[in-house]
Amino acid sequence: DTAVSQTPKYLVTQMGNDKSIKCEQNLGHDTMYWYKQDSKKFLKIMFSYNNKELIINETVPNRFSPKSPDKAHLNLHINSLELGDSAVYFCASSQNRGNTIYFGEGSWLTVV
Amino acid sequence: SQELEQSPQSLIVQEGKNLTINCTSSKTLYGLYWYKQKYGEGLIFLMMLQKGGEEKSHEKITAKLDEKKQQSSLHITASQPSHAGIYLCGAAPSGGSNYKLTFGKGTLLTVNP
Repeated sequence: DTAVSQTPKYLVTQMGNDKSIKCEQNLGHDTMYWYKQDSKKFLKIMFSYNNKELIINETVPNRFSPKSPDKAHLNLHINSLELGDSAVYFCASSQNRGNTIYFGEGSWLTVV
Repeated sequence: SQELEQSPQSLIVQEGKNLTINCTSSKTLYGLYWYKQKYGEGLIFLMMLQKGGEEKSHEKITAKLDEKKQQSSLHITASQPSHAGIYLCGAAPSGGSNYKLTFGKGTLLTVNP
């Protein structure tokens, strides 16, 4: 069973569209994250949620809106997609802050 | 802000050789993580270190955190093609509500058979 699962794995879409990436974890963790890996493979945190509450919101455009309907899910919605949004988006989770963070397999977003 | 430097940026070794990857922080760390990423795949958790001087091993991979908690090394003994990939160190500068990982830029390891 996949511990942290993301869908879709690949997404190609046109500029200006709105898209969502879903993430679910079955580890019983209370903290979930979204990370972005750019074309240079640099991995950077975007958001962190603890018990459905937004804890960390790095400098991310307002077009990115995370939503956590429950502790096991953290979805990422992106409005008005731009070419620069093309990247790999990783969802992750951990139990309490300070413990091992487990990553999903990533979602490859290409904006054309 | 927290910065992590990884060295080398890339490494090519012959199968069977030992190798070391380093990760240096500009600040004292709360926790240091090592992950491996294969092309087109997600991040695989390898090890987490929190105490100064701590050392952990898993199969042929050993990770150490120095006493000052600012530098970590990842050592692979008798490398195999299956070890190839990008190795990323991630550091948590602090615990508590601001807990997050900052990553280095990765080390690309190629193991030639």
